[in-house]
Parts: sequence; C-alpha cells; structure tokens
Amino acid sequence: GENVEQHPSTLSVQEGDSAVIKCTYSDSASNYFPWYKQELGKRPQLIIDIRSNVGEKKDQRIAVTLNKTAKHFSLHITETQPEDSAVYFCAATYTGGFKTIFGAGTRLFVKA
Amino acid sequence: DVKVTQSSRYLVKRTGEKVFLECVQDMDHENMFWYRQDPGLGLRLIYFSYDVKMKEKGDIPEGYSVSREKKERFSLILESASTNQTSMYLCASSLDIRTSARSDGEQFFGPGTRLTVL
Repeated sequence: GENVEQHPSTLSVQEGDSAVIKCTYSDSASNYFPWYKQELGKRPQLIIDIRSNVGEKKDQRIAVTLNKTAKHFSLHITETQPEDSAVYFCAATYTGGFKTIFGAGTRLFVKA
Repeated sequence: DVKVTQSSRYLVKRTGEKVFLECVQDMDHENMFWYRQDPGLGLRLIYFSYDVKMKEKGDIPEGYSVSREKKERFSLILESASTNQTSMYLCASSLDIRTSARSDGEQFFGPGTRLTVL
C-alpha cells in the first residue's frame, strides 16, 4: 500500500547549523507534499509545501526539494534556532487530496 | 481565523465503554479527518469524510466508526474501548482541492484528545 518513509527519526544539531530531513514516498500519483511542524503539546501546523510540478521551494530559512523520479523530497532548515526544536512530519497526498499519508516524524533538537 | 476544536483535551475511560470524540470546524471545509498519533508511528489515518454523511476508511479503521451528520462536525466513536486504543487523537479539516481554487490541500488540526483506556 501507500507508504511514506521519513529519516532520521531523531536529529540533534548545534544552533546555527543546518538540518536536513528526508522522505520517500511510494505512490507516483502523489502530487502535493506538505511539511508540518508540531511543537511540544501543540497541534501540527503547515510550515511549507511543494507541488509535483515544482522542484524546489524556499521560505526564509526553510526550503523543500522534490525529486519526482526518485520519489523523494527533503526539508532543509538553515541557521537553526532553539525555537526550531519540534517534531517535523512530511506527507504525501493522493487521489484528489482526500487521503494524506504521513511519515513517522523527525524529532529535531537544536542545542543552544 | 481558522479554528478546529475537539470536545476534550484529556479523557479517561474504562475497557468496554463506548467513547465519543467530537470535532468541530468553523471554516466550511468539505474534508474532515481523524488520526491517531503514537510515538514512532507518526499520524495514522483512521477515517476521513469528504462530505456530509460520507465516510471512507483510512489505514487503521478497526475498532472505530465515525459520523458526519453536519458539515462542520465529525465524530469518532469507539464502540467498545480497549487498552490498545490509548493514544492521542487528532482531528483535521481541509478544503476540497478539486473544487476550491483557494486550497492546496493544507490540513488544519485540532488540539488533540489524549485518551487513556484503563
């Protein structure tokens, strides 16, 4: 069945360093790839997304890249700050946006 | 401002009890979803609904049912709660990207209900 694999499960970086989280999806019909951030005790919130007709998208310190051929996409956070510490989920959406498959999540720790 | 609310933040029930979790959204979204969140497993889809009275099974529907009688409200029902249903339950809603030019498919989540079944 459809699947999204996310790596690593835990990532620890020093403040100011970059962080990269990678995801692989199984269904080539996926056409929308959002990333959600969930701070401790809070609800997941969309931070950036990308559509399958775009290879890269950037929003300040956050960027997402998509390789349709290889069926993988990545989140890049530059100049990390302690407030970036959270769990990040990648996702792939199928069949008209009804069903979104989430990755297992990456817990990011940014050490001051 | 987008708002999705859930009936309880914390709930403690006993094995065998019938449990109702309710979710309400005020954004006139067509799609609504129920997920459970467990450590290391991410968000797993239980059921979703794309219209009133319509429902579709997600990846882990066993032991759950849902009801959508009104567009703004989506209920998750545990017919006979079991200890392995102890989890965080998240509701979400989104616009239908097939019919709305405003939507990219972003899901808006509720605050979650932490359910403990003893």
